[in-house]
Amino acid sequence: DAGVIQSPRHEVTEMGQEVTLRCKPISGHDYLFWYRQTMMRGLELLIYFNNNVPIDDSGMPEDRFSAKMPNASFSTLKIQPSEPRDSAVYFCASSPYRADNSPLHFGNGTRLTVT
Amino acid sequence: AQSVTQLGSHVSVSEGALVLLRCNYSSSVPPYLFWYVQYPNQGLQLLLKYTTGATLVKGINGFEAEFKKSETSFHLTKPSAHMSDAAEYFCAVSAPYSGAGSYQLTFGKGTKLSVIP
Repeated sequence: DAGVIQSPRHEVTEMGQEVTLRCKPISGHDYLFWYRQTMMRGLELLIYFNNNVPIDDSGMPEDRFSAKMPNASFSTLKIQPSEPRDSAVYFCASSPYRADNSPLHFGNGTRLTVT
Repeated sequence: AQSVTQLGSHVSVSEGALVLLRCNYSSSVPPYLFWYVQYPNQGLQLLLKYTTGATLVKGINGFEAEFKKSETSFHLTKPSAHMSDAAEYFCAVSAPYSGAGSYQLTFGKGTKLSVIP
């Protein structure tokens, strides 16, 4: 089991550019989550999917953010256009079933810096 | 709605000393409770969880936590700190799924543990 795989590990981009973050969940996990971590706000849930279908995107901060899950083994989080306040660590996590009592398995994150 | 409060954003202990990280929660229903640990440049990983049953829960790396309903607390302890325990620790609360509404897992702001040799 390779765990949740995120790429890239680090991304530095200029304001206004498009950024795409990628995630491969653990095989067999039906739930996928995107979180953002900042010093000021801690961990925030952005969106989550069940069986590739977005269930709740109420945490997505603005229309500049979008997420897709075209198949069970791949998801993307896109920011277009990016802004300096988007700088954060973005985590993808997966879970085998509804995570009321099931732990989340996190990737190592993508550290995004927007200058 | 639920919330989590972690007392102390930064805790320092000497190697070999007791580790106590505090977590208080609020929940309108009996909660599920979790502690996660985050090492530098890594994602969070589960330390332990409480769902039902025994209120003293043992986790990995010698950590344990006790669910105290009357105090709405779920403090994390370890009898003797190791240098390798230096990390950030997150308490989280989840409400049992009722079949309606969205996913409800709320994380605390985290407590950074430093271990002094």
